[in-house]
Amino acid sequence: AQSVTQLGSHVSVSEGALVLLRCNYSSSVPPYLFWYVQYPNQGLQLLLKYTTGATLVKGINGFEAEFKKSETSFHLTKPSAHMSDAAEYFCAVTSGGSNYKLTFGKGTLLTVNP
Amino acid sequence: GAGVSQTPSNKVTEKGKYVELRCDPISGHTALYWYRQSLGQGPEFLIYFQGTGAADDSGLPNDRFFAVRPEGSVSTLKIQRTERGDSAVYLCASSLDGTDTQYFGPGTRLTVL
Repeated sequence: AQSVTQLGSHVSVSEGALVLLRCNYSSSVPPYLFWYVQYPNQGLQLLLKYTTGATLVKGINGFEAEFKKSETSFHLTKPSAHMSDAAEYFCAVTSGGSNYKLTFGKGTLLTVNP
Repeated sequence: GAGVSQTPSNKVTEKGKYVELRCDPISGHTALYWYRQSLGQGPEFLIYFQGTGAADDSGLPNDRFFAVRPEGSVSTLKIQRTERGDSAVYLCASSLDGTDTQYFGPGTRLTVL
């Protein structure tokens, strides 16, 4: 069984500040890892994903995440927050061999203050 | 191109009633998924279709829940004898196949009174 823990249900940053959203996972097999963003009244949108290869993954809107196997982490970062980044962010994992079933964390609500 | 669409966007029903939720996937996507998102939680997997068949329905909570995809495109999630605990946002996603990125629809918010 796999699980995802997102530390901090709510993160607040100032515009221009670093964004760091934490995600730790557990998986018995090499995982595929994802970050999705959900804007109000919209569907989940994929920000980035890690499957194999380079552990630093770049996504849309200036976000990136690094897969650290030793720490079982996949934290999401952005150097400079923008007001439009305010949304809910979900980390998700699939087990590589059965990689259609996404297991999501509970989400982190990001607010950006002017 | 068009994304995943879901209808209705909101559904209010009374306890004990039957409801149907519809999902139109992206054209050409053979894989379709249903998830349920309760308040304050991340989405939870319900069922996965590959083509017309349910390849994995292990996430359906009980036999009141059923889903079909008769022609390998549109899918309907059916809930019988609804309970207040069924209130949630039901999300549909599709992908080219079972290994590709999942694209989500906006969801149907179900409220059972």
